[in-house]
Amino acid sequence: EVQLVQSGAEVQKPGAAVQISCKVSGYTFTDYYIHWVQQAPGKGLEWMGLIDPEDGVTIYAEEFQVRVTITADTSVDTAYIHLSGLRSDDTAIYYCATGPRFLQWNHWGQGTLVTVSS
Amino acid sequence: QSALTQPASVSGSPGQSITISCTGTGSDIGFYNYVSWFHQLPGRAPKLLIYDVSQRPSGVSNRFSASKSGNTASLTISGLQGDDEGDYYCVSYTTSSTRVFGGGTKLTVL
Repeated sequence: EVQLVQSGAEVQKPGAAVQISCKVSGYTFTDYYIHWVQQAPGKGLEWMGLIDPEDGVTIYAEEFQVRVTITADTSVDTAYIHLSGLRSDDTAIYYCATGPRFLQWNHWGQGTLVTVSS
Repeated sequence: QSALTQPASVSGSPGQSITISCTGTGSDIGFYNYVSWFHQLPGRAPKLLIYDVSQRPSGVSNRFSASKSGNTASLTISGLQGDDEGDYYCVSYTTSSTRVFGGGTKLTVL
């Protein structure tokens, strides 16, 4: 069974940074891209970026290119997203997702709530 | 990359059919046959309904169907049921190799 398990909720101050992990199991980690999706409270889904765990190549949405870094550690089958310079509007649930084709994201993490507050 | 355009809300009665549109541009929906649709319930992760414009993953009801014409993709739900309520999102691959979501559509079953 494919599972994506994310790290727990975070509370951070404005200007700080946060890193969320997404540990996968049930398939070969390097076979599928990992995508990260943001959902602010009461808002829609926003694609942030992806990583190909096989070679570490990343692609970011323009809005997130400056403050977001996505990495993957194949030794522990885990992807990470690092968001720096946190602002109040970064308060959101962050999901990791994966699947065998371009947009066939049939496996999602449970989501990680990040709250940015002074 | 601007978000794809979806109606904010749609509604229908049990047993009826509804269609949700998702309009993009020639740089996303109009260029590739890579459009997916997701259903999200409050407090839950999205669930994949459709990928590659019209393909249903195993386990998804055949009441869900989808298509594309030009720059617009569409999701049709037939035989509406109460548990179809929730938010629906489209997503497309783009010519920049990025992915872009629609703004989401809230479905209410009357």
